[in-house]
Amino acid sequence: EADIYQTPRYLVIGTGKKITLECSQTMGHDKMYWYQQDPGMELHLIHYSYGVNSTEKGDLSSESTVSRIRTEHFPLTLESARPSHTSQYLCASSGQPGQGMLAGGVEQFFGPGTRLTVL
Amino acid sequence: KNQVEQSPQSLIILEGKNCTLQCNYTVSPFSNLRWYKQDTGRGPVSLTIMTFSENTKSNGRYTATLDADTKQSSLHITASQLSDSASYICVVSDRGSTLGRLYFGRGTQLTVWP
Repeated sequence: EADIYQTPRYLVIGTGKKITLECSQTMGHDKMYWYQQDPGMELHLIHYSYGVNSTEKGDLSSESTVSRIRTEHFPLTLESARPSHTSQYLCASSGQPGQGMLAGGVEQFFGPGTRLTVL
Repeated sequence: KNQVEQSPQSLIILEGKNCTLQCNYTVSPFSNLRWYKQDTGRGPVSLTIMTFSENTKSNGRYTATLDADTKQSSLHITASQLSDSASYICVVSDRGSTLGRLYFGRGTQLTVWP
């Protein structure tokens, strides 16, 4: 079954730790995204990727970094977590296998999210 | 600045009742508008998608409307169920970028009471 997965679902860590949030999709989508969402607020795009070896920063400035070595995998890394990084992180993907970049119309499918708390 | 505004911010209704959620947007050039349902602690799931030429679309008990002239959309939920309790997010996409940039509203938090 095609889907998009995120691990861990919940993470509580101390300040200064390095963390990696995992995101994988089995739909063969070329485009992938990371969003940050605080309670009661809209989703903010922090990173996106058009495909393998492509990564771009989104609208919201973030100290995190991403990589896209494989089509299905788009991990997000924080080198030194701080309490200001406490938030929900949502991964998404879009596009059909083999298609080029499309404008607007393709639906984004979201993972279940990772709730990060930095103490 | 492209924006998506939703109202009300929160809504409580009794099981079996109907409700309507509103979305106003200024995104241009407009490509499409989606309503997503987001359960607590989960990622958003698409309910409907509407393009410029569509003004009504249904998905079971969910009916979305779009007025592209006034840049308004609504989501009507009929015969509400307890499982409808969630945040409903209006998402507008522009056609000015190859990424398909999405603009998110803050959502309407719907609570259905028994």
